[in-house]
Amino acid sequence: EVQLVQSGAEVKKPGESLRISCKGSGYAFTSYYIGWVRQMPGQGLEWMGIIYPGDSDTRYSPSFQGQVTISADRSISTAYLQWSSLKASDSAIYYCASPAAYTGGWWAFWGQGTLVTVSS
Amino acid sequence: EIVLTQSPATLSLSPGEKATLSCRASQSVGSFLAWYQQKPGQAPRLLIYGISNRASGIPARFSGSGSGTDFTLTFSSLEPEDVAVYYCQQRRNWPWTFGHGTKVEIK
Repeated sequence: EVQLVQSGAEVKKPGESLRISCKGSGYAFTSYYIGWVRQMPGQGLEWMGIIYPGDSDTRYSPSFQGQVTISADRSISTAYLQWSSLKASDSAIYYCASPAAYTGGWWAFWGQGTLVTVSS
Repeated sequence: EIVLTQSPATLSLSPGEKATLSCRASQSVGSFLAWYQQKPGQAPRLLIYGISNRASGIPARFSGSGSGTDFTLTFSSLEPEDVAVYYCQQRRNWPWTFGHGTKVEIK
């Protein structure tokens, strides 16, 4: 069974750094992209970026380029999303997702989400 | 960036009624269009991919259609458990984008 398990909720202050994680299991982690999606309070879904753990090839949505860093550690089947200096506007739920082979690349598997709260 | 416009913003129907949700793209997305369901407090769930293919475990009452820039998600008969927000998404061009969603309510 494919599972994506994300790290727990975080409460941070503006200016602090943060790294959240997404651990994949039940499939060949290095063979499928992992994507990150933001959902701000009461709002819709936004693609942030994707990474191919096999070679760490990474693409960022222009809105998020330079604002976050996406990485992966193949040895522990885990992808990361990190901020060097958080802002209050980074408060959101962040989801990781991965495609299913049978769909030809559509995002069928999702983590449970990580709530990030940034407040002074 | 391809903009996806969903309509209506909210759809209020009685159980058993047919629901039709629309997604219009600012340029052609070919067959690279999917629909997701998000229930309150849950992660999104893939419903339809490649315009009209149901994802694993999705009931047959959900169907997708369309081409080019105009797409439709249809529920043949609304069930109470279908209360959710529905998003369309394209991956024809990077950055991939979602529509703003259609909220489906039970009347």
